[in-house]
Amino acid sequence: NAGVTQTPKFQVLKTGQSMTLQCAQDMNHEYMSWYRQDPGMGLRLIHYSVGAGITDQGEVPNGYNVSRSTTEDFPLRLLSAAPSQTSVYFCASSYSRQARNTEAFFGQGTRLTVV
Amino acid sequence: KNQVEQSPQSLIILEGKNCTLQCNYTVSPFSNLRWYKQDTGRGPVSLTIMTFSENTKSNGRYTATLDADTKQSSLHITASQLSDSASYICVVSAGDRGSTLGRLYFGRGTQLTVWP
Repeated sequence: NAGVTQTPKFQVLKTGQSMTLQCAQDMNHEYMSWYRQDPGMGLRLIHYSVGAGITDQGEVPNGYNVSRSTTEDFPLRLLSAAPSQTSVYFCASSYSRQARNTEAFFGQGTRLTVV
Repeated sequence: KNQVEQSPQSLIILEGKNCTLQCNYTVSPFSNLRWYKQDTGRGPVSLTIMTFSENTKSNGRYTATLDADTKQSSLHITASQLSDSASYICVVSAGDRGSTLGRLYFGRGTQLTVWP
């Protein structure tokens, strides 16, 4: 099993450009989510999905879109990149949002710099 | 407000020594508490998961404790190794119904450095 795979690992964008961060999992997990990690701060939830066709906003959703057309994939789209979106992005998946001891698996992260 | 606070912010210890990291939380209602290890440039990896009924849980040289009454947890690392150098993140899962169910609240992490 590959687990949670994120691409690309590094990306530099110019302000105003758009791009999609890819996330795929091969564990048939129901719940997937995107976080950003900034220096000196805990991971913050951007968007999440409890299953194919269902997405919802997290703590910091502005400037990002998501879709969940399949169980495996959960791409994150930056509509018009801004320097404030410079961060490390993590995708995570877990079997179920509701199971008490369900473990979350994280991808390796995408380091995004917006200049 | 649901928060997770960790201390110390950073810690340096010598190889072979023990150390204890602290986590206090205000997340309510509580579902479970997790400790993750995050190596530089990598994603977090789970060490332990504890529900309110579990007081202690071990994973090799890592032992986590939980006091659900005082809303405190600790992670004890025994006989530290150079490979233990990483950020250790305390994460609390909310247990309410509705939109907060399963929501994870992350601490800022304790940066541990083990010196030879």
